Amino acid sequence: GQQVMQIPQYQHVQEGEDFTTYCNSSTTLSNIQWYKQRPGGHPVFLIQLVKSGEVKKQKRLTFQFGEAKKNSSLHITATQTTDVGTYFCAGYTGTASKLTFGTGTRLQVTL
Amino acid sequence: EAEVAQSPRYKITEKSQAVAFWCDPISGHATLYWYRQILGQGPELLVQFQDESVVDDSQLPKDRFSAERLKGVDSTLKIQPAELGDSAMYLCASSLDSGHLNTEAFFGQGTRLTVV
Repeated sequence: GQQVMQIPQYQHVQEGEDFTTYCNSSTTLSNIQWYKQRPGGHPVFLIQLVKSGEVKKQKRLTFQFGEAKKNSSLHITATQTTDVGTYFCAGYTGTASKLTFGTGTRLQVTL
Repeated sequence: EAEVAQSPRYKITEKSQAVAFWCDPISGHATLYWYRQILGQGPELLVQFQDESVVDDSQLPKDRFSAERLKGVDSTLKIQPAELGDSAMYLCASSLDSGHLNTEAFFGQGTRLTVV
């Protein structure tokens, strides 16, 4: 079945440092979505990428969809304490109709 | 702002007992998802509905779990009998459709189940 892995599993940075999480799927994805889950909260949608090689930015966050549509990345520039949480990628494959989540990357930011 | 409603928020049950969770998706959302999330892990899809039909339930332990979405609106997830390993957060989500363009999933607050 489809598997979506993320690395790293956990990262601890100091405020102001950059952060990147990588998402890799075992199968080609028709789209990729990113979610953020704050401690004790539920996943909240951040963005969706559809096209091969697509890059989107949201303030300090940059999202990229790989050319082969099997991988994606989320980069945060100059992290803030408000960025703390777990970041998940999620995607649909072309053949499966189910939304599969990645394993997640937990980000801790300290002053 | 419209939200996905789930109840109860917390549930403690003894093993071998039956337990049920309820979800009311955002009005007009055709797709409804039930996920199970164990602490420190990503959400695992249990069942996905498109209107009243099951799209995928390949990860649903059908010997003890059942899900229904009568009339294609709200949904119930049932576990009978509950086992200690079922302790987790059960998240319900909905999206406008699953046509790959309008698939932003909105999550409810979840039901935290503890089996003792």
